[in-house]
Amino acid sequence: NAGVTQTPKFQVLKTGQSMTLQCAQDMNHEYMSWYRQDPGMGLRLIHYSVGAGITDQGEVPNGYNVSRSTTEDFPLRLLSAAPSQTSVYFCASSYSSGTSYEQYFGPGTRLTVT
Amino acid sequence: ELKVEQNPLFLSMQEGKNYTIYCNYSTTSDRLYWYRQDPGKSLESLFVLLSNGAVKQEGRLMASLDTKARLSTLHITAAVHDLSATYFCAVGGGGATNKLIFGTGTLLAVQP
Repeated sequence: NAGVTQTPKFQVLKTGQSMTLQCAQDMNHEYMSWYRQDPGMGLRLIHYSVGAGITDQGEVPNGYNVSRSTTEDFPLRLLSAAPSQTSVYFCASSYSSGTSYEQYFGPGTRLTVT
Repeated sequence: ELKVEQNPLFLSMQEGKNYTIYCNYSTTSDRLYWYRQDPGKSLESLFVLLSNGAVKQEGRLMASLDTKARLSTLHITAAVHDLSATYFCAVGGGGATNKLIFGTGTLLAVQP
């Protein structure tokens, strides 16, 4: 049971480039989400999904796209990277109902946009 | 709009002392989370509080929830250096989703 995995761990992009951050979980969780963490601002929700084929925006969705074709995977796409997207990105997953609301976070991807 | 305020933002304390971190939130929620983060690492779940009056303890940390006051506290008893980390509270956004709104974190430095 690998939990929540993210790739890559580190990435440097030039302004205007696009890329996809990968997130996968093997716990059969319905709910998955992406957060970004900037210094002094805590974590902010970018996009989330309550199941395959269902996604919605969080607090800071601009510049990012998501899709959820399987229960296991929830990739985050940066369409045209900007320096303001330099951040640490965390993926999380959980069951969306029941008695356990525990959320499991991946190890993070550190992204620098120059 | 749900807002979460955490204080203090920075806490320097001596080993052996007690202290409390406060987490206030602005609208009704049915779940409150506490996480620990070490530098360069991911978030480690400490507590999930689901009801008014809930109290959970693990080692030197104890968390409580007062939903009427919209306040959670994380109490540290007899701090040790190993507790040095950043602590976040997060509030469930409610409804059928598990969206979390995070506080800005409290950087705890325990001095010998």
